[in-house]
Amino acid sequence: AQKVTQAQTEISVVEKEDVTLDCVYETRDTTYYLFWYKQPPSGELVFLIRRNSFDEQNEISGRYSWNFQKSTSSFNFTITASQVVDSAVYFCALRIGGTSYGKLTFGQGTILTVHP
Amino acid sequence: SQTIHQWPATLVQPVGSPLSLECTVEGTSNPNLYWYRQAAGRGLQLLFYSVGIGQISSEVPQNLSASRPQDRQFILSSKKLLLSDSGFYLCAWSPPVSDTQYFGPGTRLTVL
Repeated sequence: AQKVTQAQTEISVVEKEDVTLDCVYETRDTTYYLFWYKQPPSGELVFLIRRNSFDEQNEISGRYSWNFQKSTSSFNFTITASQVVDSAVYFCALRIGGTSYGKLTFGQGTILTVHP
Repeated sequence: SQTIHQWPATLVQPVGSPLSLECTVEGTSNPNLYWYRQAAGRGLQLLFYSVGIGQISSEVPQNLSASRPQDRQFILSSKKLLLSDSGFYLCAWSPPVSDTQYFGPGTRLTVL
């Protein structure tokens, strides 16, 4: 069975601080996909990034960066120079491969609050 | 571009009443469609998914059902709501050859 753990329930930072959201996953499959989603107060989940198990390259997109390490089964998300608009719940998710459909196994989410 | 719609946005229903939530996708053909539920303060749980018209797979046995009467329409139903059905219901779609799921705005259901 698959499992995603986001150990940080809530994080509070002051604007311009860097913050890292942790994600640890468990699966026995060798082909899998990892995702991060952002859920602002409006409720809609916004897709941020997708990574497959064969691509361990880290990725940077503006102030966002992701660190994928298969050796520790982690897929951490860092926001550099945080802003108030980054306040949201962030979810890490896992899907095993083999087909183009299938369920996402979500972590419990990390509530990020960025104070001005 | 593709868009996904859900309605209603909010719903308050008494215990024992029926339920019908609708999700439609525009700008794509033959999408994979999903229903998730998010209980307060928790992560998301997949309820149903569909890879085509009339094809429904259930992940969690419960008093909910799903139907896909048209290619881009996905409906979540219940004959009799329970208090435990309260939550935030999210519909998602993915292209037929991609695994990235894109979510709709959600329906907040309160059962009293």
